[in-house]
Amino acid sequence: GAVVSQHPSRVICKSGTSVKIECRSLDFQATTMFWYRQFPKQSLMLMATSNEGSKATYEQGVEKDKFLINHASLTLSTLTVTSAHPEDSSFYICSARPSALTDDSPLHFGNGTRLTVT
Amino acid sequence: AQSVTQLGSHVSVSEGALVLLRCNYSSSVPPYLFWYVQYPNQGLQLLLKYTSAATLVKGINGFEAEFKKSETSFHLTKPSAHMSDAAEYFCAVSDRGRTSGTYKYIFGTGTRLKVLA
Repeated sequence: GAVVSQHPSRVICKSGTSVKIECRSLDFQATTMFWYRQFPKQSLMLMATSNEGSKATYEQGVEKDKFLINHASLTLSTLTVTSAHPEDSSFYICSARPSALTDDSPLHFGNGTRLTVT
Repeated sequence: AQSVTQLGSHVSVSEGALVLLRCNYSSSVPPYLFWYVQYPNQGLQLLLKYTSAATLVKGINGFEAEFKKSETSFHLTKPSAHMSDAAEYFCAVSDRGRTSGTYKYIFGTGTRLKVLA
C-alpha cells in the first residue's frame, strides 16, 4: 500500500530557532501533499496544500512566512517552522495522494511530528 | 462549503458491544466520505471510504459505514467492540476538487472511543 514517511517523529527546539519536517511518499508519486496541524484533543486543521514545482497554497490565517513549504520533487515535501515560538508547539501531520490514481483514491498520512518549542 | 459534524466527542462501549460513531456531512456536490482512525501520537489510518458506489461500505478491522443521502449521514459501526478499537476516529469529506480545485479534505472534530472491559 501507499506509504508516507514523516521525519522526525519528535523534535524539541529552542524558541527562535527553525525546524524542518520532511514528508516523503515512499512508493508512489504525489503531485500534491497536504500539511495539517493538530492541537491536543482536537481535529486536524489544514494549513496548506503543497504543490510540486510551484508555490504552496495556504489556508486563511496561516502565515506563509512562518511556515515555509517546499515541494521540490514528486516524493518530497518539507515544512519549515521558522523562528519557532512556544505557541507553535503542536502535532504536525502530512498527507499525500497518489497522482496516478483515480479521483476517489484516499489521502495517506504520515505518522506525524510532535514539535515542542521551549 | 463543505462541513462534517461528528456527534459525541467521547463514546464509551463495553467490550463486545455495538460501536456506533455518528457523522453528518454537508456538501454542495456529491461527496467522497472517509473514516480514519488515529492512535496516540500517530498519523491517520484509513478505515473505509465512500465514493458513490455501494452505499454500505465495509472497511478494515470489522468496521462498516452506510451512506444515507436523505439523512446526509455516514455513521460508522462495528458489531462487537474490541479493546484494540480504542482510539480517535475522524470522519472526513472531500469535494473531489470540484469546488476547492484540489482534493481537499475537511475533517470532523473527532470521536474518542473508549472500550470498557
